[in-house]
Amino acid sequence: DIQMTQSPSTLSASVGDRVTISCRASQSISSWLAWYQQKPGKAPNLLIYKASSLESGVPSRFSGSGSGTEFTLTISSLQPDDFATYYCQHYNSYPLTFGGGTKVEIK
Amino acid sequence: EVQLVESGGGLVQPGGSLRLSCAASGFTFSDHYMDWVRQAPGKGLEWVARIRKKGNSYSTEYAASVKGRFTISRDDSKNSLYLQMDSLKSEDTAVYYCVRAAVVVPAAFDYWGQGTLVTVSS
Repeated sequence: DIQMTQSPSTLSASVGDRVTISCRASQSISSWLAWYQQKPGKAPNLLIYKASSLESGVPSRFSGSGSGTEFTLTISSLQPDDFATYYCQHYNSYPLTFGGGTKVEIK
Repeated sequence: EVQLVESGGGLVQPGGSLRLSCAASGFTFSDHYMDWVRQAPGKGLEWVARIRKKGNSYSTEYAASVKGRFTISRDDSKNSLYLQMDSLKSEDTAVYYCVRAAVVVPAAFDYWGQGTLVTVSS
């Protein structure tokens, strides 16, 4: 099974900050990586697919990069609506697996 | 508008069974692979099962933690997805989400239902 490791697990930041979340796969997944945002009590929402493609309707302050085993989600200027938990997920092979999540908190 | 609406969750005793349903609307259901993803209280996301479309013989995949106990199925004539859960364990307690995979595979999960809570407890 491919293990997905996110860091950090918690991140404290202020509105306007540039935020970077890392995701590492235990083996190469090419670019078959997605990023999701989840707010408390709600279902996750797709932000990025194929490592760097922005899902329709998602603000352009979100971007993704990487390939192989190292990936990054960047929020260029953190907004109040962005305080949430973020998950990476590979869809290269079965089982599909998620990272443990990164909670972005208000500093 | 794409909608995925789960139902069938509730309280069940260990060893019991439960069947979840997901009603889909707003898109051509038969064109998509469909999945179930769960989230235990206060925990992260765990993929549970996938069913492919008719052109892929409705083939299925399961997480090791549920293989042999859970069965995913679909009825394209009713735009519905199902998850039959047998021999339930306390560790199956979670919110279960019905999820659509984007039409071009390999695919990320582009739409999620609101989830239905399954509690396994005596």
